[in-house]
Amino acid sequence: GENVEQHPSTLSVQEGDSAVIKCTYSDSASNYFPWYKQELGKGPQLIIDIRSNVGEKKDQRIAVTLNKTAKHFSLHITETQPEDSAVYFCAATPGSGGGADGLTFGKGTHLIIQP
Amino acid sequence: NAGVTQTPKFQVLKTGQSMTLQCAQDMNHEYMSWYRQDPGMGLRLIHYSVGAGITDQGEVPNGYNVSRSTTEDFPLRLLSAAPSQTSVYFCASSYSMDRDSPLHFGNGTRLTVT
Repeated sequence: GENVEQHPSTLSVQEGDSAVIKCTYSDSASNYFPWYKQELGKGPQLIIDIRSNVGEKKDQRIAVTLNKTAKHFSLHITETQPEDSAVYFCAATPGSGGGADGLTFGKGTHLIIQP
Repeated sequence: NAGVTQTPKFQVLKTGQSMTLQCAQDMNHEYMSWYRQDPGMGLRLIHYSVGAGITDQGEVPNGYNVSRSTTEDFPLRLLSAAPSQTSVYFCASSYSMDRDSPLHFGNGTRLTVT
């Protein structure tokens, strides 16, 4: 089955700086790569996703890049703000349709924004 | 629109006790699932359902039962709780398992088994 590795487990950055979280996956058939943000005491919430037919996707201060050859994808957050502090999870699925089919999660990155 | 609602938020059980974690969604989603979240382990799929009357096992199903008698509800049952089941449990749903159907998570149930 799919195996998703996520690094680092903890990331501390100064407010206003950029943060990068990296994930690798094992199954070359994977074609859907979502990122979830989990705030304290809440469930994960989808913040951005990318499919295997594109290399980069941006949404305001967040962006995701995908390198299918190397089987890795990354989350980039620019101009970090205190409300970006949370645990971030990457995920991948080789499901024929993407979405929830066969989704495998990374172990999470605790992002800390220092004032 | 409540989304995915989980009850209770917190629960303490003694070893061997049974209980049911409730999950309900009001979005008419076909797909529902249960995950457990443990420190350093990420989210692991326990059971899932692609529609009423249909359930299947995920990565870590042992010790848990599920049923899906209605589209809205997907309860998770622990028949004989063990300390290894101490965890935070999340229910999630999506319109289908297809693309463009992101998962929506509830806010979790924190379970402690002593």
